[in-house]
Amino acid sequence: DSGVTQTPKHLITATGQRVTLRCSPRSGDLSVYWYQQSLDQGLQFLIQYYNGEERAKGNILERFSAQQFPDLHSELNLSSLELGDSALYFCASSVAWTGGLGELFFGEGSRLTVL
Amino acid sequence: DQQVKQNSPSLSVQEGRISILNCDYTNSMFDYFLWYKKYPAEGPTFLISISSIKDKNEDGRFTVFLNKSAKHLSLHIVPSQPGDSAVYFCAANNAGNNRKLIWGLGTSLAVNP
Repeated sequence: DSGVTQTPKHLITATGQRVTLRCSPRSGDLSVYWYQQSLDQGLQFLIQYYNGEERAKGNILERFSAQQFPDLHSELNLSSLELGDSALYFCASSVAWTGGLGELFFGEGSRLTVL
Repeated sequence: DQQVKQNSPSLSVQEGRISILNCDYTNSMFDYFLWYKKYPAEGPTFLISISSIKDKNEDGRFTVFLNKSAKHLSLHIVPSQPGDSAVYFCAANNAGNNRKLIWGLGTSLAVNP
């Protein structure tokens, strides 16, 4: 158990809809990262928040947005969903804002299926 | 543009033998490398890392070797155990790009009893 909690574990929705994925980081971790893993794709970095502020942005579509709340949990909002958005979405956390130098602790992921 | 490449999608080894997983990178700005292991239905877990100032880092059965001139790193698992069967991701930290981790596509390792 990494200590990172993601909900929901599975989500099935239709094209054009909007969903929200939730992540609670490990106790004490200030950084939250969102990753997308599609079939035949590695882990694609979407966005990082540190203590409520956006810290780094990756390949995140304009239809997607995220935020980190004062209690440090984070939400990833996916809107106008397309079939290609079907993927496993991982949240990870770390203590430091640099993140990449230390280990990231990943949640179990939220599997999104868009029909 | 895949800056971190794991050219073998899968690898199968016998229990007790050595597993060697390879990773190549293209960006000379990468200065820190990590290996993560992922079991089905779980998130990746950190395994071992190496800084570019070193050429080897060892942790129990796991050793990572870095060859900067060849822009190549490898993960050695000795001896391999069935519980090592998982997908292994190589990741590189880009010192010149806000420290984003760049990930390979993973290698699926099967250790056969």
